[in-house]
Amino acid sequence: DQQVKQNSPSLSVQEGRISILNCDYTNSMFDYFLWYKKYPAEGPTFLISISSIKDKNEDGRFTVFLNKSAKHLSLHIVPSQPGDSAVYFCATNDMRFGAGTRLTVKP
Amino acid sequence: DADVTQTPRNRITKTGKRIMLECSQTKGHDRMYWYRQDPGLGLRLIYYSFDVKDINKGEISDGYSVSRQAQAKFSLSLESAIPNQTALYFCATSDRSFNQPQHFGDGTRLSIL
Repeated sequence: DQQVKQNSPSLSVQEGRISILNCDYTNSMFDYFLWYKKYPAEGPTFLISISSIKDKNEDGRFTVFLNKSAKHLSLHIVPSQPGDSAVYFCATNDMRFGAGTRLTVKP
Repeated sequence: DADVTQTPRNRITKTGKRIMLECSQTKGHDRMYWYRQDPGLGLRLIYYSFDVKDINKGEISDGYSVSRQAQAKFSLSLESAIPNQTALYFCATSDRSFNQPQHFGDGTRLSIL
């Protein structure tokens, strides 16, 4: 039973627009969340994280929002660039990963 | 040079064979992990080790074993490979500090015929 769910396998957006990737979790004990980005033939790389004591964390074009009552987090990328095309995984600090969302940013 | 190196990068083998996947790191991290990635399932934890004398089972450890030979080396073995172990395998490391992100190798693509 997956405790971290990314229900959208893929997302396509136009360059310059906002990309919103979603993640839901089931266990309210999770207290730290991370997003990783993965390009083909490479391992995932860390992108941004958020602690449960916060509801937002921002790093340049990337912002992660956490809604604890809904057990939901989202990653916003603004503006999206073609180089952002990759698979994005959300994860918890106890080593659970979602299935990933493949983002395609079209020029 | 990569900080987390996995060997081999690709392997094709037959059912029943014993296989070892190796991982070495130069990051000086105490913690090491093995995951497998399957389409639609994301990354699932097989085993993890928080230091040389610490080995723990993950979500899907059946059919696998590990050895932590040194702080820098963590190997994954499939004692008798079966086709449903065909997957992409990743090794990762992390610092012992609280809530640190993991650093991944580039993966081993394993096919079992």
